[in-house]
Amino acid sequence: VQLVESGGGLVKPGGSLRLSCAASGFTSSNAWMSWVRQAPGKGPEWVGRIKSRNEGGTTDYAAPVKGRFTISRDDSSNILYLQLNSLKIEDTAVYYCATVGYCSRPSCYRGYYFDYWGPGTVVTVSS
Amino acid sequence: SFVLTQPPSVSAAPGQTATITCGENDIGRKSVHWYQQRPGQAPVLVIYYDDARPSGIPERFSGSKSGKTATLTISRVEAGDEADYYCQVCDSSTDQAVFGGGTKLTVL
Repeated sequence: VQLVESGGGLVKPGGSLRLSCAASGFTSSNAWMSWVRQAPGKGPEWVGRIKSRNEGGTTDYAAPVKGRFTISRDDSSNILYLQLNSLKIEDTAVYYCATVGYCSRPSCYRGYYFDYWGPGTVVTVSS
Repeated sequence: SFVLTQPPSVSAAPGQTATITCGENDIGRKSVHWYQQRPGQAPVLVIYYDDARPSGIPERFSGSKSGKTATLTISRVEAGDEADYYCQVCDSSTDQAVFGGGTKLTVL
């Protein structure tokens, strides 16, 4: 499994950015995927998740980014995206994409974890 | 919402055992996952579903849970284990992931 993020950079408050995560080494169309960010000197913070297309492809977001960030996927190209709009200074962080591990049978589902991570891409929001 | 409480730091001499805790009132009903993060690197999953170990993770790493606390135990600590460790659970009502504040393991 290999995940490689790209698209980070310096952006002004209120600006937008689109991050990409190229996936290889597994059937990404069957996988749930997530974005996790880590502000300087802080712990990881979950950003959001997208389910596989055959499970509806639905998305969920953390409260601080809901309505501003959008996760999407292009399974034909094995790429995961994170669209960041209305960026704030507090969005400055390293952004990681990660594969989501979980038990797919409803009878055993008990939350999920992040089993593979990319090296991350840095987003800096500053005027 | 809830908070996962971890000690900011723990230390252990090489060959000794390090224990890192993660506390939450209802943790007994949640699955706990643990990550190791070395400086400048992405986190690595070391324990999932409380006590399962991914392939490639040494048997020296183990997880357990009792009462309001989950514990990551690292036996026979090595210099290469020096890193930040984070616990993670999912909020059962929102299905959103929550991370602990992290514990820095120093190998003396």
